[in-house]
Amino acid sequence: ELKVEQNPLFLSMQEGKNYTIYCNYSTTSDRLYWYRQDPGKSLESLFVLLSNGAVKQEGRLMASLDTKARLSTLHITAAVHDLSATYFCAVDPNMEYGNKLVFGAGTILRVKS
Amino acid sequence: DVKVTQSSRYLVKRTGEKVFLECVQDMDHENMFWYRQDPGLGLRLIYFSYDVKMKEKGDIPEGYSVSREKKERFSLILESASTNQTSMYLCASSLGTASYNEQFFGPGTRLTVL
Repeated sequence: ELKVEQNPLFLSMQEGKNYTIYCNYSTTSDRLYWYRQDPGKSLESLFVLLSNGAVKQEGRLMASLDTKARLSTLHITAAVHDLSATYFCAVDPNMEYGNKLVFGAGTILRVKS
Repeated sequence: DVKVTQSSRYLVKRTGEKVFLECVQDMDHENMFWYRQDPGLGLRLIYFSYDVKMKEKGDIPEGYSVSREKKERFSLILESASTNQTSMYLCASSLGTASYNEQFFGPGTRLTVL
């Protein structure tokens, strides 16, 4: 069974600080997606990573994928309050799973001023 | 832009009622999914469909059924609503290719069963 583990599950950080969220998975895959969810809202796409070594950046967030290590990271630079949300990674384990994604449990990020 | 819409943002129903949640996508996606999300339990897949009239059970199908009569529309049916089905329901769709399966989510329906 494919497992996707995110850590930490909860992260409280001060504004201006840097931190990294980790997403480990247990099968070979070179496709991974990051989503953001605001309280009471749905998931919105953040990053699409489709190959080993892929790196995407948007504002203060940067995501990367290392398929050999089965690891993706979401790095937060100089956090601001607006980044407070829950972040999910989702692994795309190829056709054997019938186009389903396997989601991590989510990381709740709280940025304190 | 991909657009996934859900028929209601908030819904309140009584125990035993039959409940229909509708989801429509406008990007000609092959795959559609229904999830429920509860605090501390993450996203759980209820049912998904990879083609019209095709459906497959997800991780928690008990108490639910689905219908996909047209490619753009995927309905979730609670045959006899119970209080433990109070939850946030999320619909998603994806293109369904061998190399790209990003899912796009609707706004969600928060269902309360009294």
